[in-house]
Parts: sequence; C-alpha cells; structure tokens
Amino acid sequence: QKEVEQNSGPLSVPEGAIASLNCTYSDRGSQSFFWYRQYSGKSPELIMFIYSNGDKEDGRFTAQLNKASQYVSLLIRDSQPSDSATYLCAVKRGFQKLVFGTGTRLLVSP
Amino acid sequence: GAVVSQHPSWVICKSGTSVKIECRSLDFQATTMFWYRQFPKQSLMLMATSNEGSKATYEQGVEKDKFLINHASLTLSTLTVTSAHPEDSSFYICSAKEDEQYFGPGTRLTVT
Repeated sequence: QKEVEQNSGPLSVPEGAIASLNCTYSDRGSQSFFWYRQYSGKSPELIMFIYSNGDKEDGRFTAQLNKASQYVSLLIRDSQPSDSATYLCAVKRGFQKLVFGTGTRLLVSP
Repeated sequence: GAVVSQHPSWVICKSGTSVKIECRSLDFQATTMFWYRQFPKQSLMLMATSNEGSKATYEQGVEKDKFLINHASLTLSTLTVTSAHPEDSSFYICSAKEDEQYFGPGTRLTVT
C-alpha cells in the first residue's frame, strides 16, 4: 500500500462546477496535510495545508480532513480553465519530510 | 513572502561532466532545504534533506557521492550532480522550509 494515494485522473469538470479531489494516507499518526498545484513543466505551488479535522476554506478552495477515515480532500468551487493542472496531496512524515501522492490531473473545460 | 529561486532553470551537459544547481531562499532564512527529483509523469521523490552547517541526510537509494549537497548559509543550498549520465536527466526541484515547504521553480537537467 502506498503511503499517499490519489486517483491519477484525469478529472474533467466544466467551467463553473465544483472539482473534488481526494487523497488517502496510510500512516494513522500523520498530523499535517498539504495540497500543491503543479502546472505542466513547472514546480509545485502550495495551495493549502490543514492540520485539524474538518474544513478549511481559502477563497475558492476548501480542504477537508477526516483523520478517522485517513482521508483528505480538496474542493475547488467555480472551477476555471486556469485551474487545469495536477494536484498533489502531501503528508508530513515526522517533523519535516513530505511524502507526495502521484497527483490527480484536473481538466476544466470552458 | 516565501520565495525560493533556483539557478539554472535548465542545463544541458555531456555525459561524465558535473553540474551544480543552486537553491536560494530570497526573503527568509531556511535552516532546512530539500532536494527532489521528478521524472516525467511521476511524482516528486525526495532525494535529500539539507541542513545548514551540517551534512545532508540522503534518502535510501540516493548515492551521496554522486549527488553532493552543500548548505553553506541560511539562504543557499547547492546540489552537484557528479559524473552525470543520461539516466540522471530529470527535473530537479528544491524547497526551503519557513513554516512549511515552498518550492523553487526547478531545474531541468538533460545529459547527452
């Protein structure tokens, strides 16, 4: 079992819809969770991090964490074509290291 | 805030030569920087953790004598790929830790 698992996609949504990206992790002791966006040929950009169970909202983005189910998700409201990218879920291992999933490719069609 | 730069952004070198990549935190001090490698259509793989003033910690399977890391100051870490071979061609990305990890723009290395 991979430490961080994501569906590779692509996830296709029409412009203006809600995109829902999911991630599961295997280490029940994990405390910190991150979502990065990576455009093709570019490096990852931190979008959100979440430490506590529940929802955390930042603009059009909402991260949701359920530690009991070992599940973290990212919702993107009012999706735009510019949101088309690969979204990487990462879990902090120990104090510093990040373990990344393979990413979900999101395609937002006009 | 939390801006990280890398230089060069891309480099082409011949097999057997060495290449140095710089990673700088521009607006904060980073006692810890990380070096990742990403092959096409794959996720980021951590190569090593670089700590200012001490030796880097390498991940399992990463050759420390091939990938030399120097973290000489709180704003600069360097990765030197020694005796590069075509299989070392990849996208090398550094990150620097302020509160969380922020990534540099990456260096695309092509070894011919």
